[in-house]
Amino acid sequence: EVQLVESGGGLVQPGGSLRLSCAASGFTFSTFELHWVRQAPGKGLEWVSYISNTGSTIYYADSVKGRFTISRDNAKNSLYLQMDSLRAEDTAVYYCRRYFDYWGQGTLVTVSS
Amino acid sequence: SYELTQPPSVSVSPGQTARITCSGDALPKKYAYWYQQKSGQAPVVVIYEDSKQPSGIPERFSGSSSGTMATLTISGAQVEDEADYYCYSTDGSTNRGVFGGGTKLTVL
Repeated sequence: EVQLVESGGGLVQPGGSLRLSCAASGFTFSTFELHWVRQAPGKGLEWVSYISNTGSTIYYADSVKGRFTISRDNAKNSLYLQMDSLRAEDTAVYYCRRYFDYWGQGTLVTVSS
Repeated sequence: SYELTQPPSVSVSPGQTARITCSGDALPKKYAYWYQQKSGQAPVVVIYEDSKQPSGIPERFSGSSSGTMATLTISGAQVEDEADYYCYSTDGSTNRGVFGGGTKLTVL
């Protein structure tokens, strides 16, 4: 069974940092592209970032470019999102997604003083 | 930046056909995907690559794409189909993703 489990969310002050993790199981992790998607409270889905199966190709949404860094460790079956210079508008549930199909349950990030 | 446009809401009676559209300039070249999201839950894919149906998704869900518009059709909508629906695709030249703004489907 494919499983994606996010962790690392929490409350952080504006300007602070957080590192999200997504632990994967039930499939050959190294063969799949992965994405981070977020959803602000009461709002729609927003694509955040993409990483290819080898990590050689990476894309970001304009809203996070230069502040967020996606990475993966295929030996640990894990995806990461390093979030720096956080803003109030980054408050959202963050989901990891395998290719187009499987999603985790999300982890809530709240940026507030 | 690239955008996908959906109607904010669609309303049908049970048993009627619901159609949700998604327009985007790159859709002639890029696949559309459709996600269903019920309150408090993670999204679930109901259509992938324009018209393919994942296993476990009821046959009443179908998809099509023509030119710059993709359409999700729910034939004989049920009360349990009430949810937010999002189209998803990538921009014309990369794998940078984009979601439509979402459509709230009401079945009553």
